[in-house]
Amino acid sequence: KAGVTQTPRYLIKTRGQQVTLSCSPISGHRSVSWYQQTPGQGLQFLFEYFSETQRNKGNFPGRFSGRQFSNSRSEMNVSTLELGDSALYLCASSFGSGRETQYFGPGTRLLVL
Amino acid sequence: ELKVEQNPLFLSMQEGKNYTIYCNYSTTSDRLYWYRQDPGKSLESLFVLLSNGAVKQEGRLMASLDTKARLSTLHITAAVHDLSATYFCASENTGNQFYFGTGTSLTVIP
Repeated sequence: KAGVTQTPRYLIKTRGQQVTLSCSPISGHRSVSWYQQTPGQGLQFLFEYFSETQRNKGNFPGRFSGRQFSNSRSEMNVSTLELGDSALYLCASSFGSGRETQYFGPGTRLLVL
Repeated sequence: ELKVEQNPLFLSMQEGKNYTIYCNYSTTSDRLYWYRQDPGKSLESLFVLLSNGAVKQEGRLMASLDTKARLSTLHITAAVHDLSATYFCASENTGNQFYFGTGTSLTVIP
């Protein structure tokens, strides 16, 4: 079974731009969660989607948004990028609606200049 | 806001020794999670603890949960070099708040 894939793996953007990151879950998994990891703030929860519905959202500004498609693939979008958005963005998939045994993708490393 | 604290932040231990990582959280928690991260890599799920008294074991790692004390522990038995990594706990409360601890960087020395 293929694992969780994330594209792109690396990305460089400038302040003010917007970015879209993609996550393809393991086949059959219907839940996708997104996380941000930075040296300063550590790991933080962004969103959780199940069957195209956002079930939960972390404490992030409205510039951060996401969605899930009918094939369970998910995207997250960050508009008006700030330097502090530079981070490793991880997505994880699981079969059910909770976080039981999540499988993580390799991450997208975003650098904002 | 749910707060999750781990200690120690850094742990250097000799191969063959035992040690425990502690994870304290501030509000009533439904679930407690443990993850592992190797340097420069993504996260790997280790354990999900769903109720008071839950204990799970995988190889040299054993996790437990005491919801009354708001404490989870990750016990390492007879450490080996391959266990060197950063370990994170995370807590999810009844309000679906989900927060990670700061992580414990473990180095196992031969």
